[in-house]
This record gives sequence, structure tokens and C-alpha cells, in this order.
Amino acid sequence: SQQGEEDPQALSIQEGENATMNCSYKTSINNLQWYRQNSGRGLVHLILIRSNEREKHSGRLRVTLDTSKKSSSLLITASRAADTASYFCATATGGSYIPTFGRGTSLIVHP
Amino acid sequence: GAGVSQSPSNKVTEKGKDVELRCDPISGHTALYWYRQSLGQGLEFLIYFQGNSAPDKSGLPSDRFSAERTGGSVSTLTIQRTQQEDSAVYLCASSPSLAGNYNEQFFGPGTRLTVL
Repeated sequence: SQQGEEDPQALSIQEGENATMNCSYKTSINNLQWYRQNSGRGLVHLILIRSNEREKHSGRLRVTLDTSKKSSSLLITASRAADTASYFCATATGGSYIPTFGRGTSLIVHP
Repeated sequence: GAGVSQSPSNKVTEKGKDVELRCDPISGHTALYWYRQSLGQGLEFLIYFQGNSAPDKSGLPSDRFSAERTGGSVSTLTIQRTQQEDSAVYLCASSPSLAGNYNEQFFGPGTRLTVL
């Protein structure tokens, strides 16, 4: 089964609204990363948060990590049509260097 | 510098034929990963190379799949006797030297494989 699972599977919002996506995982992690994928092609790294961090910001992105709940959230503020994409979380556990990806959240931002 | 490149971008083949997919990682990146992504699904790990170490092949779905990485750089994923269920986007990613922890991956644009 997937280590990380994103929720919701799909999200549709209007431009200017905020978008929140969640990722839940099962076992303790070293770090968690969020990626964006446009049109089913390559993924682009957005942000990495380590297990000893609780919140990170990058531009309009805000990521939180709650290790007690084994969950993370990605917030995109003031969304734009160009943010339309699929968003994936990836977790690395223990001594493994092989990240596990969830099935992703499909975000559609309507202009 | 250049990012990760993959070729071909699209490949259509007939069931039973062999295919080779190529990945050129970012220069200097010692880690290289292959993933498969079926329509609307997440990424399925296939194989991982790290420097000169033996590759981690634990994700390869069958013995029809193999991969090699020559000179610690270019990698080729080979699928023998392709089946229709092999149709997917095959993604390659590379990552810089590890510092005791998992690092950011840089993905190529993928190869879309269609098996008729």
C-alpha cells in the first residue's frame, strides 16, 4: 500500500481562492516532500520539510507537518490558473533512499 | 545546466516487442531512479542506482524488466516481450550525492509507452 496518501483526490476552486491538500502516512519519516506534476509528465519539486520541522514557506506555498498525526498539508494561497496540476507528497522512511509517492491530488483552478 | 532528459518522449510498440528507454541524468548526480506511472495513478518505484553500488531492483514487476547504468551516468530501462499492461509513462529522476538523508529528486519529462 502507499505510504503517503493525498486527500482530497480532486479539488476544484476559483482563481484567488486558497487550496489545501493533505497527506497522511503510516510510518515514521525522515522528511516529506511535495511535488507538482503538469499534464502527466515530469514532476517538479516544490518543498521539503524535515521531521523536526513543523512549518515551511516558499512563496505562495505553506507546508505543515504534524508527526504526531502522521500528516502534512500543502496550502497554496491566492491560487492562479497556472497552479492547475496534480500534487504529490513523497515520504522517505528509516534508512531508505527510495521515496514513496501517493496517488496525488488533482487541482483545477478556474480563471 | 541541462536537466534530466529522457528519450524517446513517446513510444508505440506492438505486443511482444522489446523496447529500450533512455535516461540522461544531471551531470554529477550519483543517484538515479526509474518510476512507472499509469493513467491517473501515483508513481510506482521500479529501480534505484546509487554510485557504484548494486542497484535496488525491488520494484521491478517482472523479469521482463531490466535496467543498467553505464559509467555512473546514462541509464537504459529495457522491457522485453512487452504486454499491454506495460503501457504507462516511465519517469526517470536523479538526485545529488546523499548526505545521510534522502534528497530532492529532479525528474525528466518521461517516456509515454503505448503497447498495442
